[in-house]
Amino acid sequence: TQLLEQSPQFLSIQEGENLTVYCNSSSVFSSLQWYRQEPGEGPVLLVTVVTGGEVKKLKRLTFQFGDARKDSSLHITAAQPGDTGLYLCAGAETSYDKVIFGPGTSLSVIP
Amino acid sequence: DTGVSQNPRHKITKRGQNVTFRCDPISEHNRLYWYRQTLGQGPEFLTYFQNEAQLEKSRLLSDRFSAERPKGSFSTLEIQRTEQGDSAMYLCASSGTYTGELFFGEGSRLTVL
Repeated sequence: TQLLEQSPQFLSIQEGENLTVYCNSSSVFSSLQWYRQEPGEGPVLLVTVVTGGEVKKLKRLTFQFGDARKDSSLHITAAQPGDTGLYLCAGAETSYDKVIFGPGTSLSVIP
Repeated sequence: DTGVSQNPRHKITKRGQNVTFRCDPISEHNRLYWYRQTLGQGPEFLTYFQNEAQLEKSRLLSDRFSAERPKGSFSTLEIQRTEQGDSAMYLCASSGTYTGELFFGEGSRLTVL
């Protein structure tokens, strides 16, 4: 059974601090996606990682896919209040499988 | 194309009533997903379609839930004999075939009184 875990569940930090969010599984995934969701809205895709060891950067956000394609991390540098939201990782074991989501990390950046 | 559209955005119903949600995906996307989400939690998989074929339905889903995508375009999710535990946000997403990148609608929030 596919399962994605995320840590921490909640994170409250001051503006300007750095943070890392983790996504782990016992299964190998063909790709992993990271989404950000604001209250009352649907999740919005941030990035897809496909290759083991891959690192992608999106402005102050850095995403990494583990070498074994079982885990991923999201690092935010100099967090801003606009980064506040629910961060979700998601993936499918193969291109033909359904996409499942982790439980999310709720980030609050305090001005 | 303006993205994935869901209707209604909000639905308040009494326990025991039936409700139906509609999702219009991005037109060139073959896959369509339904998820359920409660406050502060990640989306829980309900079912998904490849064109008009329903590929999988969550084993956690009771027989009161049914979904269709009759012509491989829009989809409907019906909940019969609603219960208070059905109160949640119902999210629809679409994707191009063989990619895991999903594009979500704004969701349909259900409140069962």
